[in-house]
Amino acid sequence: DQQVKQNSPSLSVQEGRISILNCDYTNSMFDYFLWYKKYPAEGPTFLISISSIKDKNEDGRFTVFLNKSAKHLSLHIVPSQPGDSAVYFCAASDGNDMRFGAGTRLTVKP
Amino acid sequence: EPEVTQTPSHQVTQMGQEVILRCVPISNHLYFYWYRQILGQKVEFLVSFYNNEISEKSEIFDDQFSVERPDGSNFTLKIRSTKLEDSAMYFCANQMDRKDGYTFGSGTRLTVV
Repeated sequence: DQQVKQNSPSLSVQEGRISILNCDYTNSMFDYFLWYKKYPAEGPTFLISISSIKDKNEDGRFTVFLNKSAKHLSLHIVPSQPGDSAVYFCAASDGNDMRFGAGTRLTVKP
Repeated sequence: EPEVTQTPSHQVTQMGQEVILRCVPISNHLYFYWYRQILGQKVEFLVSFYNNEISEKSEIFDDQFSVERPDGSNFTLKIRSTKLEDSAMYFCANQMDRKDGYTFGSGTRLTVV
């Protein structure tokens, strides 16, 4: 079941720069997309979401972009901070349940 | 900030034994979920639960698994006869409305030996 894909298992960026995390999905029934952040030994924490009727949602340093025609979404973190270092999961929902990508480990170097 | 509480944080069990993982959800959050993450792998959906019944389950959630809210409060996941491959982190999640983000518990690490 690969309905949600995060093709980059890891990403390393310098503090202050932009982090871009990518996610692709295959199920056109998905209409709600979320990003979760996970630290070791903790459960995933909700970060930001976007409905399929929008193409952008911004919350502070975090912006999610949705390209429905390409079935692609991305999370931008600007500026990146060392505390952002975590695993980021993309998730998609069709109104029934949620499917997760495999996660991307972000490392922000001081 | 409301929390989802999971107990125990770590459980070690013999293969073939039954385990019950417990979750105390957030009050008034009506949608319940169990997910698991095998070490180094993706977070996998197991089951969703609403209005005291299963709304959807994945192919992982076979006859060895069951969920219930025995006292209308706690939400439990039972594995009847554990296998080695059941070793994973199990996350309970809670949601107020369908379009809300999930609130996850910190997980139970299940180790089957």
